Amino acid sequence: AQKVTQAQTEISVVEKEDVTLDCVYETRDTTYYLFWYKQPPSGELVFLIRRNSFDEQNEISGRYSWNFQKSTSSFNFTITASQVVDSAVYFCALGRGAQKLVFGQGTRLTINP
Amino acid sequence: NAGVTQTPKFQVLKTGQSMTLQCAQDMNHEYMSWYRQDPGMGLRLIHYSVGAGITDQGEVPNGYNVSRSTTEDFPLRLLSAAPSQTSVYFCASSSGPPELFFGEGSRLTVL
Repeated sequence: AQKVTQAQTEISVVEKEDVTLDCVYETRDTTYYLFWYKQPPSGELVFLIRRNSFDEQNEISGRYSWNFQKSTSSFNFTITASQVVDSAVYFCALGRGAQKLVFGQGTRLTINP
Repeated sequence: NAGVTQTPKFQVLKTGQSMTLQCAQDMNHEYMSWYRQDPGMGLRLIHYSVGAGITDQGEVPNGYNVSRSTTEDFPLRLLSAAPSQTSVYFCASSSGPPELFFGEGSRLTVL
């Protein structure tokens, strides 16, 4: 069975601090996809990144970066120089394809001014 | 281009009432799915479809019915609503891995 664990239920930091959201997954599949979604207070799900199991390159997009390590089954997400607008719930998800995703419990991130 | 459209966005039901959450996509996607989001539990898959006429159960299918008569539409039916079905429901569609597009969500309260 597939499983995603986001051990951090809530994180609170002061603006401009760096913050890392952890994601650990379990799967027996050799081909799979990992996702991160952001859910702002307005409630919609905003796609941030996907990564397939064969691509372990880290990725940076502006203040966001992702560290994928198959050896530890982790796909961690770092926000550098956090801003109040980053306050949201963040979900990590795993799936063979896109129609059957398994989500983590989510991490509520609060950035205080 | 509307993407994935869910209606209604908010609904209040009494226990035992029935209703249908509508989901429509205009991207000609084969794959569609329904998730529910509960506090502290992330999103869980209810039902999914890999094409018109084909549906299957996800992790939490009890109390819900689906059908897929067209590529565009994937309605979720609650035949007899229960308070445990109070949740936020998300519909999603995809043309295949790894893309997945979500609707804006439907908040359902069952009294």
